[in-house]
Parts: sequence; C-alpha cells; structure tokens
Amino acid sequence: QQPVQSPQAVILREGEDAVINCSSSKALYSVHWYRQKHGEAPVFLMILLKGGEQMRHEKISASFNEKKQQSSLYLTASQLSYSGTYFCGTEGNNDMRFGAGTRLTVKP
Amino acid sequence: NAGVTQTPKFQVLKTGQSMTLQCAQDMNHEYMSWYRQDPGMGLRLIHYSVGAGITDQGEVPNGYNVSRSTTEDFPLRLLSAAPSQTSVYFCASSLTTGKGETQYFGPGTRLLVL
Repeated sequence: QQPVQSPQAVILREGEDAVINCSSSKALYSVHWYRQKHGEAPVFLMILLKGGEQMRHEKISASFNEKKQQSSLYLTASQLSYSGTYFCGTEGNNDMRFGAGTRLTVKP
Repeated sequence: NAGVTQTPKFQVLKTGQSMTLQCAQDMNHEYMSWYRQDPGMGLRLIHYSVGAGITDQGEVPNGYNVSRSTTEDFPLRLLSAAPSQTSVYFCASSLTTGKGETQYFGPGTRLLVL
C-alpha cells in the first residue's frame, strides 16, 4: 500500500516554512524522503530509522513517529532551490513504496 | 561507478508491440526495483528483486515481466504494449532492503504508446 502524503501542493514565499506529512497503515522499518525536480530522477534527502534520531539536510529536517507510523518533513526558511516534488518512501521487509508526492513551489 | 543506468531514454511504441527496458547497476546492490510515474500518482512499484534469481510483484505488475539472471541487470519487459502503459519508468537499486539503505534511481525512460 502506498503511504499517504499531505498536502498535495504548497506555495511559499522565499524564507517561509512548510511541513509535509506522510503516513502509512503498515508497520515500517524506515521512512525515506526524496526530492524530484521536473524532468529529473528523484534525489535522496534523508532516511529516518525506527528508533533513530531526527535527521537534517541543510535547513530541512524530518521526524518519524513509530507508534503512529507517521513522518513529517520540515522545510525552514525556504529557498528557491527547494522547489520540486517531495516524496516519502516507506520501507517494509522487502519493498519500498512511495507516496503520491507533494509539489512545493517557492516564489521570490 | 556509473551508478544506475537505464536505456533507452525515450521510446515510442505502437499498441501491441513488445519491448525491453534495460536497467543496470555497478554497485553490487542486492535490491533492484522498477517504478512507473504518472501525474498525480507518484512512484508506483511494478516489480522488485531481492537478489539474482528472485523477483516479486509490486503494486502494479500487470502487463510487465521481469527477470534477474545477474546481480547487475534487471530488465523490464512489456509483452504487448497498451496506451495505459504510457509513463515514465524509473529503475532503482539499494544495497539491500529492510535495513534503511538509500535507494539510487536511474535517469528514467519515457515511454509513449500510441
């Protein structure tokens, strides 16, 4: 089953903050976050492991609530380069499933 | 390392034709997978493999076949292409699965079925 992401789209002004959420109905080993620019392949941002710490990538951080099977991606002081589609990937025993994505647009 | 490579980059097929999308990785990764990406649907898992000789179905396997005879290669076959298979296809690999390893994506293959 695909994880569920929200919101579907976000429009920000440069410097504003945003939160993207990801939830799954099944038990997870880890949650991955990727960013995809138009016409390109998804690029890895970070992994959150069960029992692990909150992770950071530049001014982007993420958390993983194991009990709720939910993860959130926090984009702080957004930059123009943050624009793209963000995907969460949930890892079970044998496969990786991705959400439908959140399109983030950062305007000057 | 070349990472994950995919060929072709772009392909146009007529309904009913067959073709093979190639995927190769040179990182000695056990886990390889195929996704299709359609607008608003994200990345949907087609088939995956946890090692040479082992494959399994993902969320949307119908119309696609795979095999994994070597660790490096994981081709995706369309036996009789349909317009519904128009999509962007990504191959991905990781060292293993179930242990928090990074997925590496290939550049993608854009397929148009007329």
